[in-house]
Amino acid sequence: DVKVTQSSRYLVKRTGEKVFLECVQDMDHENMFWYRQDPGLGLRLIYFSYDVKMKEKGDIPEGYSVSREKKERFSLILESASTNQTSMYLCASSLGTGNSPLHFGNGTRLTVT
Amino acid sequence: RKEVEQDPGPFNVPEGATVAFNCTYSNSASQSFFWYRQDCRKEPKLLMSVYSSGNEDGRFTAQLNRASQYISLLIRDSKLSDSATYLCVVNKQAGTALIFGKGTTLSVSS
Repeated sequence: DVKVTQSSRYLVKRTGEKVFLECVQDMDHENMFWYRQDPGLGLRLIYFSYDVKMKEKGDIPEGYSVSREKKERFSLILESASTNQTSMYLCASSLGTGNSPLHFGNGTRLTVT
Repeated sequence: RKEVEQDPGPFNVPEGATVAFNCTYSNSASQSFFWYRQDCRKEPKLLMSVYSSGNEDGRFTAQLNRASQYISLLIRDSKLSDSATYLCVVNKQAGTALIFGKGTTLSVSS
């Protein structure tokens, strides 16, 4: 079974802090993704990566950056956290083929105060 | 037109009912289609892929209509445990990231 692990289930940070959300997958998947999910807005893609050291912007990359130094790990960075980044963050991975489904971690609920 | 659009519901049905959800997508070049299920406060989980010829998995049937750019999910003999939000998922075009609809909420009551 694919396992996608997110480092924290709940996180509370202050405005202006730099925040790191970590995600690790154990199935040697090429692709990794970061989404955020908000009521009424659904899941929105922030960034994704097709390979180590590669990254692509999703639909809402502003205020975020990512890092993929190793194949199994994909980090989401909030350079200066703001209250509108309070959300549920979901990491996912998939095989490199175009028709591969996503496998999600169980999410990090981030609150920025 | 939104990239992926679903009726948000909620759909409230009794046990044993048959219920159908539709989803429309805007990009005719899309190649990959899925239905995901998400329980309250949980991560989305793959329910089934959707193939061109249509496919069935037990009580669940998925259909794809490329000409009209929609996919559907039919649930027969609804169970209480089917209560969840069902997410329609499409890729923008071959090889790119998946885009999620906002989901359709199903509530099955006894």
